[in-house]
Amino acid sequence: GESVGLHLPTLSVQEGDNSIINCAYSNSASDYFIWYKQESGKGPQFIIDIRSNMDKRQGQRVTVLLNKTVKHLSLQIAATQPGDSAVYFCAEIDPNTGNQFYFGTGTSLTVIP
Amino acid sequence: DGGITQSPKYLFRKEGQNVTLSCEQNLNHDAMYWYRQDPGQGLRLIYYSQIVNDFQKGDIAEGYSVSREKKESFPLTVTSAQKNPTAFYLCASRSQEGGKEKLFFGSGTQLSVL
Repeated sequence: GESVGLHLPTLSVQEGDNSIINCAYSNSASDYFIWYKQESGKGPQFIIDIRSNMDKRQGQRVTVLLNKTVKHLSLQIAATQPGDSAVYFCAEIDPNTGNQFYFGTGTSLTVIP
Repeated sequence: DGGITQSPKYLFRKEGQNVTLSCEQNLNHDAMYWYRQDPGQGLRLIYYSQIVNDFQKGDIAEGYSVSREKKESFPLTVTSAQKNPTAFYLCASRSQEGGKEKLFFGSGTQLSVL
């Protein structure tokens, strides 16, 4: 399968600070990436997506950056809040089939009040 | 959770027993997926189905079976051949609207071995 990984398994930030979660991928043909948030005991929820024809995409308090040269993407959360504490996964769609979603191992974000 | 219902929330399996995890969706999505999640790990694909009466193996299909007799339902059976079944199982359906590819997940089933 595809390889989608994250650099850090855990991240702790002070409430109000910005958070940056990183992800690397291996297939240069990958053209669609998604970030998911998973709270404890629940299923993952869609946060934001980005296609390979973009370098940056912004949502509400979140920004995703894509660097195709080094096959790296990041999720930035502005003014992190306690409710942002969760595990964050990057995912990609298999560019060969367009049917399978491959997930990274996740980063656990803890927000310190 | 987003129209995906998984049951039960907790399930215990005895050695040598087959157990079935239920997944129902009312989102009218064609494609459905089953993932396995182990502690500290990402989601690994077990099986997926693009349409009724069709399904494909994922990366870790051994020891599992599925059926897709109805669009709304995609049950997963964990057979006795799966020697390490303890994990959190997630079902999802796929939306393809407005250029966005989204997976809608259920709330999961935690399977444990007695």
